[in-house]
Amino acid sequence: GENVEQHPSTLSVQEGDSAVIKCTYSDSASNYFPWYKQELGKRPQLIIDIRSNVGEKKDQRIAVTLNKTAKHFSLHITETQPEDSAVYFCAANPQGGSEKLVFGKGMKLTVNP
Amino acid sequence: GAGVSQSPSNKVTEKGKDVELRCDPISGHTALYWYRQSLGQGLEFLIYFQGNSAPDKSGLPSDRFSAERTGGSVSTLTIQRTQQEDSAVYLCASSSRGTNSGELFFGEGSRLTVL
Repeated sequence: GENVEQHPSTLSVQEGDSAVIKCTYSDSASNYFPWYKQELGKRPQLIIDIRSNVGEKKDQRIAVTLNKTAKHFSLHITETQPEDSAVYFCAANPQGGSEKLVFGKGMKLTVNP
Repeated sequence: GAGVSQSPSNKVTEKGKDVELRCDPISGHTALYWYRQSLGQGLEFLIYFQGNSAPDKSGLPSDRFSAERTGGSVSTLTIQRTQQEDSAVYLCASSSRGTNSGELFFGEGSRLTVL
């Protein structure tokens, strides 16, 4: 089945720095790759997603890149702010059409003021 | 309601007891998911419903776990003879997309503690 690996597991940056979170997946048929943000004590919420027909997508300070050949995708956050501190989860859909999302173990980002 | 509602928000039970967790999805959302989040772990898929049927229940850890959905709306996750390793936050999510992957809207979760 689909295996989604996420690294690093924790990252600490200074406010204003950039942060990059990387994920790899195993199922070459996967075609949908969302990123969810979970603030402490809150529910996970979608922040950005990308489909396999594009290589990059941007939304203000966040961007996601996808390399289908290498089966990895990354989340980039620029000009980090303390409110970006949270756990970030990547996910992929196995078999490319299934409604199921397989999530990575998450990365805890801390932005120090 | 405006969002996915889960109850109870917190449940403490003794080992061996049965528990029921409830999820009320966003009105009109046909897809419903249950995930489990253990401390420091990711989101572990348990089961997925499309309408009242469960096309994928591959994530249920054992036959002590079962789930049902009635009327295409409310879902109940039941854990029988609870064990300490069942302690986790159980998250429900719903989605409006049919056969195409789309945003999952999560509830606040039900935190289960098995003593």
